[in-house]
Amino acid sequence: AQSVAQPEDQVNVAEGNPLTVKCTYSVSGNPYLFWYVQYPNRGLQFLLKYITGDNLVKGSYGFEAEFNKSQTSFHLKKPSALVSDSALYFCAVREGYGGSQGNLIFGKGTKLSVKP
Amino acid sequence: GAVVSQHPSRVICKSGTSVKIECRSLDFQATTMFWYRQFPKQSLMLMATSNEGSKATYEQGVEKDKFLINHASLTLSTLTVTSAHPEDSSFYICSAPRTGQGTDTQYFGPGTRLTVL
Repeated sequence: AQSVAQPEDQVNVAEGNPLTVKCTYSVSGNPYLFWYVQYPNRGLQFLLKYITGDNLVKGSYGFEAEFNKSQTSFHLKKPSALVSDSALYFCAVREGYGGSQGNLIFGKGTKLSVKP
Repeated sequence: GAVVSQHPSRVICKSGTSVKIECRSLDFQATTMFWYRQFPKQSLMLMATSNEGSKATYEQGVEKDKFLINHASLTLSTLTVTSAHPEDSSFYICSAPRTGQGTDTQYFGPGTRLTVL
């Protein structure tokens, strides 16, 4: 069965420092991986995805993520954190492959707190 | 970019009443939409898959008679919480995958906060 793990409930970073939010996954086939961000009382916003191709994926708001097949990881990164990056981040894997109608399996979320 | 809307954004109702939540894809058609439920400080849990023109597929443990789903058109899916109780209070989020144009990303609605008194 597909699953996603986000080992950290919260990540604290000082503004201007690099940030990493960790995600590992387990799938039976090729993984389709996603990162979403959720601001308080809001829906989820798409940040980036890995389907195939380059392992380093660049997304919205300066975020990027690196797909590592051997470590089954898809960590989210940003070189210089902003206070406005403070939010809840969800890693997700799409169930199945072939077509785009499969639902997403979400990690439990990681709260990112960026202090000035 | 693709936009998915939900209405209402917030609803407060009395126990025993029914509440309808609408999910619309505004600039693309969606034959499938997903309904999620999110409890405070927890992840999203898939409730059901809404299919245009056919019955919804419910996840294990989700009561189909309590959470009625209707996918009336290629741009609209509705979730009706029937005979709502306080334990149904939650944040409900829908999503729609956009196909074609090399994209296969799900787009999420802004969510509906349901409070049952």
